[in-house]
Amino acid sequence: QSVLTQPPSASGTPGQRVTISCSGSSSNIGSNSVNWYQQLPGTAPKLLIYSNNQRPSGVPDRFSGSKSGTSASLAISGLQSEDEADYYCASWDDSLNGPWVFGGGTKLTVL
Amino acid sequence: QVTLKESGPVLVKPTETLTLTCTVSGFSLSNPRMGVSWIRQPPGKALEWLAHIFSNDEKSYSTSLKSRLTISKDTSKSQVVLTMTNMDPVDTATYYCARHDYASGSLPDYWGQGALVTVSS
Repeated sequence: QSVLTQPPSASGTPGQRVTISCSGSSSNIGSNSVNWYQQLPGTAPKLLIYSNNQRPSGVPDRFSGSKSGTSASLAISGLQSEDEADYYCASWDDSLNGPWVFGGGTKLTVL
Repeated sequence: QVTLKESGPVLVKPTETLTLTCTVSGFSLSNPRMGVSWIRQPPGKALEWLAHIFSNDEKSYSTSLKSRLTISKDTSKSQVVLTMTNMDPVDTATYYCARHDYASGSLPDYWGQGALVTVSS
């Protein structure tokens, strides 16, 4: 059971916009920043979004992040087939759960 | 260019101790902005943070696994070592090491390729 809650799956067609949610609590998302990671099949996680809404160099601006209260969201616009992957949120947690906690992951399928 | 690479046994027997080494390049383990975590992922499951070592050698462990884990580093060799005692088949997972740059948030940015460890007799 992961500390951060994500939907297990999401899907969309090419060109669509999809969002993936990440729900936490006051001890993690509510008081700390959120990162998002993309994990392509058979590979290591790759940093997609840091500090809630910042994109590392090289990450397309189709990917965006936001945070409100104890929840965060990852939005992918102009969906492409190569976006099919698992997506994980993560945050610092001030309680005994931490200090670093992850979501359970969301498998994104491009139909 | 920042890289991390995990190395260690592919197969361990139940009750044995696992030792994994993370060799880093492109940054220094003595840099006060940098730290390294170990994170694991059982097949088909989610990521689980295990342990972290700060530049000042302070350590932090997962509450549920604290009694079985030890993290250490050799700055001169650019290596971070994780030991996990009393291995069990449920510990079968891909083990990743990851860098933290505290200047851009407290969470991991660069990850190693991972090392799959199977626990079986």
